[in-house]
Amino acid sequence: AQRVTQPEKLLSVFKGAPVELKCNYSYSGSPELFWYVQYSRQRLQLLLRHISRESIKGFTADLNKGETSFHLKKPFAQEEDSAMYYCALSDSPRLGDMRFGAGTRLTVKP
Amino acid sequence: DAGVTQSPTHLIKTRGQQVTLRCSPKSGHDTVSWYQQALGQGPQFIFQYYEEEERQRGNFPDRFSGHQFPNYSSELNVNALLLGDSALYLCASSSTGVGNTIYFGEGSWLTVV
Repeated sequence: AQRVTQPEKLLSVFKGAPVELKCNYSYSGSPELFWYVQYSRQRLQLLLRHISRESIKGFTADLNKGETSFHLKKPFAQEEDSAMYYCALSDSPRLGDMRFGAGTRLTVKP
Repeated sequence: DAGVTQSPTHLIKTRGQQVTLRCSPKSGHDTVSWYQQALGQGPQFIFQYYEEEERQRGNFPDRFSGHQFPNYSSELNVNALLLGDSALYLCASSSTGVGNTIYFGEGSWLTVV
């Protein structure tokens, strides 16, 4: 079965410290992997996707098919990075049927 | 472009009642998907509509049904409401094509009492 696992519900780091949010998935095909972010009182929005290989707001994520992981990393966390982060996958060309993890709440302390 | 808009923002229903939630997709998008997000959980896929038909469905009972109109807007209907249906219901719109992205609405908070 398709499953996305985010092992950490809460993650707290100090400003300027590196941060890594973990995501593991189980899927038999070749899905597309995503990270979504939800800032306080805002809607869910796309942070990055593995096929674009972009760095957004200093975040990067590498798809490791051998370990079926898609961890999100940032070398120097900022206070404005505090938010809820969701890892998700989809195998649909219309992307509607996203499978989400339970999310990790990141708090960056001053 | 207003993006994905949903209504109502909040509503309270009694157990056993029926509810209809509405969604207008982002301009240029022809596909609408619905998600249920319970407190402390990630969104769970309910179903997806395009060309006015349900194309994919998640693990939700038949009490959850939907509709898509010719202008691509959509409705989510839930019958015989249970307390466990209390959640944030998210609508997302998308389309096909290289670089397509899905966009989420702000959601409709449903409380069943």
